[in-house]
Amino acid sequence: DTEVTQTPKHLVMGMTNKKSLKCEQHMGHRAMYWYKQKAKKPPELMFVYSYEKLSINESVPSRFSPECPNSSLLNLHLHALQPEDSALYLCASSQVRGGATSTDTQYFGPGTRLTVL
Amino acid sequence: AQKITQTQPGMFVQEKEAVTLDCTYDTSDQSYGLFWYKQPSSGEMIFLIYQGSYDEQNATEGRYSLNFQKARKSANLVISASQLGDSAMYFCAMSSGGSYIPTFGRGTSLIVHP
Repeated sequence: DTEVTQTPKHLVMGMTNKKSLKCEQHMGHRAMYWYKQKAKKPPELMFVYSYEKLSINESVPSRFSPECPNSSLLNLHLHALQPEDSALYLCASSQVRGGATSTDTQYFGPGTRLTVL
Repeated sequence: AQKITQTQPGMFVQEKEAVTLDCTYDTSDQSYGLFWYKQPSSGEMIFLIYQGSYDEQNATEGRYSLNFQKARKSANLVISASQLGDSAMYFCAMSSGGSYIPTFGRGTSLIVHP
């Protein structure tokens, strides 16, 4: 099973709202990722969790707050977002092996399309 | 530092024909992995195929094959017998050295005409 699930599929929020994006995988992967993607552009890495600990934060504004409650779940808490934060948010998971092997393969969820009004 | 280059912003192909999507890479590491993903308009990034730097054979997965030319640092994706459902963005990515986190290219938009 190579499934990563994300909820919700679509989200519309105002600039004063607080919302959360959720991601779940049951592949036993110990690395989980959040990406932001604008139309026709490659995904931009936001955060990486390795063994449930935040290992990479790509200078993301504090209005985005990640959380990894356990090895299967990843959340992204949103607060006071700006219209330019409207994008597709993708969650992914992979093994934590390195060495450039096929175990580095990332598996992505279907994404959450976020619109900030 | 590693770099992935996809020089074709858009490609068109007739249904049932083969198409090659270009990807070149740059890394100083001897050990690296190359990946191709498909992203339809629905948004999900779908893993297609993997090639390791030490793999002697070109990777194949059904209608997808990877034309790996190590000396030229290229890893082109070949899609045989194109179908309308192949219309999508295609991203090439690479992980190298001790990092398991890939770098993505800018992507190529493929449109399959009936």
